[in-house]
Amino acid sequence: QKEVEQNSGPLSVPEGAIASLNCTYSDRVSQSFFWYRQYSGKSPELIMSIYSNGDKEDGRFTAQLNKASQYVSLLIRDSQPSDSATYLCAVSRNYGGSQGNLIFGKGTKLSVKP
Amino acid sequence: EADIYQTPRYLVIGTGKKITLECSQTMGHDKMYWYQQDPGMELHLIHYSYGVNSTEKGDLSSESTVSRIRTEHFPLTLESARPSHTSQYLCASSESVGGYSEAFFGQGTRLTVV
Repeated sequence: QKEVEQNSGPLSVPEGAIASLNCTYSDRVSQSFFWYRQYSGKSPELIMSIYSNGDKEDGRFTAQLNKASQYVSLLIRDSQPSDSATYLCAVSRNYGGSQGNLIFGKGTKLSVKP
Repeated sequence: EADIYQTPRYLVIGTGKKITLECSQTMGHDKMYWYQQDPGMELHLIHYSYGVNSTEKGDLSSESTVSRIRTEHFPLTLESARPSHTSQYLCASSESVGGYSEAFFGQGTRLTVV
């Protein structure tokens, strides 16, 4: 089982809709979770971090964490064509010498159609 | 402005050459990382460092080596480049605050070995 799993997509949504991106992780004691956006040919850009169960909102973005289900999601409201990118879920390791290292999923490619 | 810099952005080099990819950060972060990413694929951690004179190998075996003589500088070296080393190399840094550390990426170096 991979440490961080995401549906690779592509996920296609119309402009103005809500895009929902999902991620599951295997390490039950992970404490830190991050969403990065990566445009084609560019480096990842941090958009959200979440550490506690529940929702965290920042503008059009909402991160949701459910540690019991080992599940983290990202909602993008009022999706814009400029949101078209690959969204990477990252989980911080919480054990041993590699504590704090971020492990990334393969990413979900989002396409927002005008 | 606090940032993380990578040079060069693009490099095309012949087989057998020695190369050094530079990474510097002005964010005051203790932890630094090198990730490798092939097009359309996930990020793989190849090296990380907790601070000066600390270097560790990551999850993906790599023939590259790293050094950390200064807090702000974390160069990656390939002694003899091969076509299999063709990839994008991404440097990142984070504060060393347990497992709650957000990582920020440089712009990446796209390496092509011919």
